[in-house]
Amino acid sequence: AQSVTQLDSQVPVFEEAPVELRCNYSSSVSVYLFWYVQYPNQGLQLLLKYLSGSTLVESINGFEAEFNKSQTSFHLRKPSVHISDTAEYFCAVSANFNKFYFGSGTKLNVKP
Amino acid sequence: EADIYQTPRYLVIGTGKKITLECSQTMGHDKMYWYQQDPGMELHLIHYSYGVNSTEKGDLSSESTVSRIRTEHFPLTLESARPSHTSQYLCANQAWGRDEQYFGPGTRLTVT
Repeated sequence: AQSVTQLDSQVPVFEEAPVELRCNYSSSVSVYLFWYVQYPNQGLQLLLKYLSGSTLVESINGFEAEFNKSQTSFHLRKPSVHISDTAEYFCAVSANFNKFYFGSGTKLNVKP
Repeated sequence: EADIYQTPRYLVIGTGKKITLECSQTMGHDKMYWYQQDPGMELHLIHYSYGVNSTEKGDLSSESTVSRIRTEHFPLTLESARPSHTSQYLCANQAWGRDEQYFGPGTRLTVT
């Protein structure tokens, strides 16, 4: 089985500042990695994913995440956040696309 | 884009009542999932289905039951609600061969 740890339950940050949301995973097999975002009163939606190839993956709205196999991490970063990035972010892993294991989420609060 | 709906969005109910949480989708995806989300905790998979007449229990033990009579619907039932069932319930779907899950907005259940 796999598990995901998101150590930071809340991350407050000022607008235009950089941010990093941490994700570490545990698995005895190779996994695929995902970040989902949940805006208020909405369902989770896929932000970005690592399946294979380049370990650095990017989203269309400026987020990026780097797969680090040796540290079993998949941290999410953005060099300059906007108010609209305020949301809860979930890291997830899956070995076969049939079952997904999600972390406990990190609430990003962007302040003006 | 996958459309997936959950009703009700919020429910407050007394102990001992029978309740059914509805999940419906319009995209014809075979795979459907129910997750339980408690504050500060990982999303836990409680039920899943890979198609009509297929249902399985997830990794987290749950007293709820599910059915999958039609592709579009995946209702979750609690025969006798208890305060320990208070939680947020998230429904998701996924197409075969694809790596992305689509989530409904969730049902927040409070049992008094």
